[in-house]
Order: sequence, then structure tokens, then C-alpha cells
Amino acid sequence: KAGVTQTPRYLIKTRGQQVTLSCSPISGHRSVSWYQQTPGQGLQFLFEYFSETQRNKGNFPGRFSGRQFSNSRSEMNVSTLELGDSALYLCASSRRGGGAQETQYFGPGTRLLVL
Amino acid sequence: AQSVTQLGSHVSVSEGALVLLRCNYSSSVPPYLFWYVQYPNQGLQLLLKYTSAATLVKGINGFEAEFKKSETSFHLTKPSAHMSDAAEYFCAVSDLSSGDKLTFGTGTRLAVRP
Repeated sequence: KAGVTQTPRYLIKTRGQQVTLSCSPISGHRSVSWYQQTPGQGLQFLFEYFSETQRNKGNFPGRFSGRQFSNSRSEMNVSTLELGDSALYLCASSRRGGGAQETQYFGPGTRLLVL
Repeated sequence: AQSVTQLGSHVSVSEGALVLLRCNYSSSVPPYLFWYVQYPNQGLQLLLKYTSAATLVKGINGFEAEFKKSETSFHLTKPSAHMSDAAEYFCAVSDLSSGDKLTFGTGTRLAVRP
């Protein structure tokens, strides 16, 4: 069974631009979560989607948004990019979501560099 | 709110030596605890998880962790380190109030000396 896939793997943008990252969960998984990883702040939760609905949201500004499609694929968008948005963005999927004990399976991440 | 503290951002051991990575948690409700490993330029891979079934949890690659409620700890151990264990290790916590949200520690980078 294929794992979580994320595209693109690497991305370079300039300040003020916007970016869209994509995540395809493991087949049969309906929950997708997004995390930001930076050297300074570590791993931080962005949001979680289940059945096309955002169910949980972290403490990030409104420039960060996401959505989930009917096939469970998810996208996240960052508008008006800032230098501090440079990070590794990780997507994770789980079967049902909403269950704290469920295992989340992570993708390889998209590394975003903002110049 | 839940939180996780990992003591020691860098740990270095000799090949064949015991690996001990420390994790203490804070949660107002019964927690679920996880250890993930991250190799360079890769995502996170689950090593093991505690979901209240058993306090001693065995994971992949010879790792295990013991949940100690009295000490609010979930330390990761491996009896004998291999060179391939060199990576960054993250402890994470979730609970029923947070759903799928994982709160991670700051990570411990493990180096293995030949």
C-alpha cells in the first residue's frame, strides 16, 4: 500500500507570493493533518481535516488555510509569504481521525524556502 | 493543555551501548504517547505508541518505552545502539480532547559513535 505522498518536495518562493502544497493520504484514510517544522519552533500543528471539514486548527494566522477533497486528498495554502514561513511542511493521515490513539502516518514533507 | 518535554537536545552513545532518550509529559486527562523518528530529509516514522493497553510498549527496530504515570514519563530505550539509529527522535502526546492533534517535544538528536 502506498504511503502518504506530498507534492512538490521542494519549493522556492519570494516574499509576498502564495503557495499551494498537496497531500495524498494512504488509501482508505479519511483524516489529514498538517504540521510545520522549523528549527526554531519545532513541529507545530496547523490543522486537521476529516470528510472535507476542518475539525481542528492550530495557532497560525489566517494566511494559512487548507481544504480537503471528496477523495480525502488535501491542500494547504499560504498567502502573502513571509521569510518565517520557510519550513518543512508535513502531512499526516489516519484512518478515522478524531481518535487520539490512532496512528498518524507522515509523508516526506514539502520543504519551502521563502526568499 | 498537554505538553511534552524532551531532556537533552543531543545525545551521543557508542555503538553497542544503551540508548536512553527522555520524555516527560503533561496532560490533564489520560494521555496517548508516541515516539517518532526522523531521518535526514525524510518525514516522521512511528517507532511505538502508548494507548493504555500496557505500560511497557515495544516498537520497531528494537526500541521500547515504559509509561510511568507517577513520574509522568515515557522514556525511550534500546539495549544496543546501531549506527543506523542515528537520527532525530520526537516524543509526542495527544488526548481525547485534542483529537488527532499531536503535540511534539523539541526533539533529541542521537549520534552513534563507532
